[in-house]
Amino acid sequence: GNSVTQMEGPVTLSEEAFLTINCTYTATGYPSLFWYVQYPGEGLQLLLKATKADDKGSNKGFEATYRKETTSFHLEKGSVQVSDSAVYFCARRGGSNYKLTFGKGTLLTVNP
Amino acid sequence: DTAVSQTPKYLVTQMGNDKSIKCEQNLGHDTMYWYKQDSKKFLKIMFSYNNKELIINETVPNRFSPKSPDKAHLNLHINSLELGDSAVYFCASSRGDRGSDEQYFGPGTRLTVT
Repeated sequence: GNSVTQMEGPVTLSEEAFLTINCTYTATGYPSLFWYVQYPGEGLQLLLKATKADDKGSNKGFEATYRKETTSFHLEKGSVQVSDSAVYFCARRGGSNYKLTFGKGTLLTVNP
Repeated sequence: DTAVSQTPKYLVTQMGNDKSIKCEQNLGHDTMYWYKQDSKKFLKIMFSYNNKELIINETVPNRFSPKSPDKAHLNLHINSLELGDSAVYFCASSRGDRGSDEQYFGPGTRLTVT
């Protein structure tokens, strides 16, 4: 079936460090790809998305590029802040019924 | 001006009880969803409705029954609650059911079964 694999956390960084969270996906059905963020005690918010190969999604300094050749959608940010501490979910949507399938989430903690 | 709202935010109940969680969206979306997030933060879809019709029904015990009285509401009723039902339940909505349609999530309902 369709799946998303993202790097296991937790990830702990110092403020202003570079962030990469790896994500790979199953390619069946030409999926759209998403990164969602969940801040402590809150629901999920869409961070960015890309709907076709080579698209780059970006928001709040975060970026991810839809790579068809490597079936990847890695999340990057050049300089993280304490306020970026949250759980990040990679997700794909495509195939029958356009079900949104999530990765297991990566907990990011940024220390001052 | 909350986009997707859920009530209650917290629900503590005993095994065997029946409970409901309500969801409303004011975005004019056609499609609504219920997700379950377990203690390890893993998110899994349970149900999806498009224009009040069920389009996704994952392998969920039939003790769980969604009800969509209109396009703006999707409620979740749970019968004979079990300890394993303890989780955070998220409602979501999207403009349609296409792959590129982003989903907007509610704040979640934390259900604790004792």
